[in-house]
Amino acid sequence: RKEVEQDPGPFNVPEGATVAFNCTYSNSASQSFFWYRQDCRKEPKLLMSVYSSGNEDGRFTAQLNRASQYISLLIRDSKLSDSATYLCVVRRGGKLIFGQGTELSVKP
Amino acid sequence: NAGVTQTPKFQVLKTGQSMTLQCAQDMNHEYMSWYRQDPGMGLRLIHYSVGAGITDQGEVPNGYNVSRSTTEDFPLRLLSAAPSQTSVYFCASSTPLQGANTEAFFGQGTRLTVV
Repeated sequence: RKEVEQDPGPFNVPEGATVAFNCTYSNSASQSFFWYRQDCRKEPKLLMSVYSSGNEDGRFTAQLNRASQYISLLIRDSKLSDSATYLCVVRRGGKLIFGQGTELSVKP
Repeated sequence: NAGVTQTPKFQVLKTGQSMTLQCAQDMNHEYMSWYRQDPGMGLRLIHYSVGAGITDQGEVPNGYNVSRSTTEDFPLRLLSAAPSQTSVYFCASSTPLQGANTEAFFGQGTRLTVV
């Protein structure tokens, strides 16, 4: 079992849809939590950090439940430009551990 | 404002050849790491370093060596290339600060093919 697991993809949604990604992590010593975005095998880039209190950045909302070791990302009003692979990432010491990623395709 | 610089961007090797992938960062980050990305596998950690002179193994270290003689540089050496090492390699750096604002920055990747 991988240390960080994500929903299998791909997700194919129409523009304007709301889509939710789920992620679980197995090591309770994980310290920080993030969602990264990766376009077409380019380098990953930080989308947002994830806080225990939940946090929002425009159309994006991230949640963390430390007790359940569960992380989520909600995208509202999907745009064509949201099409990408979304990577759930946890940090433990000097390591960043990645989930396998979930591909999102937003169609007109 | 270079960030993380990886070279080369593309490389083709023959089985058994050795080579070094270069990674340099100019942000004075203590943490640096190497990942490989294969289809459907996400990014898997090869080796990482928490500071100059300190390295440790990640999830898939076999066939690779690293060293960290300076804060800026973290080269990855393939000792004897194998077709199974065909992959996209990413280098990343970050600060050791804990908490949410510890973004990792990535190089643009090296696309390696071993024939």
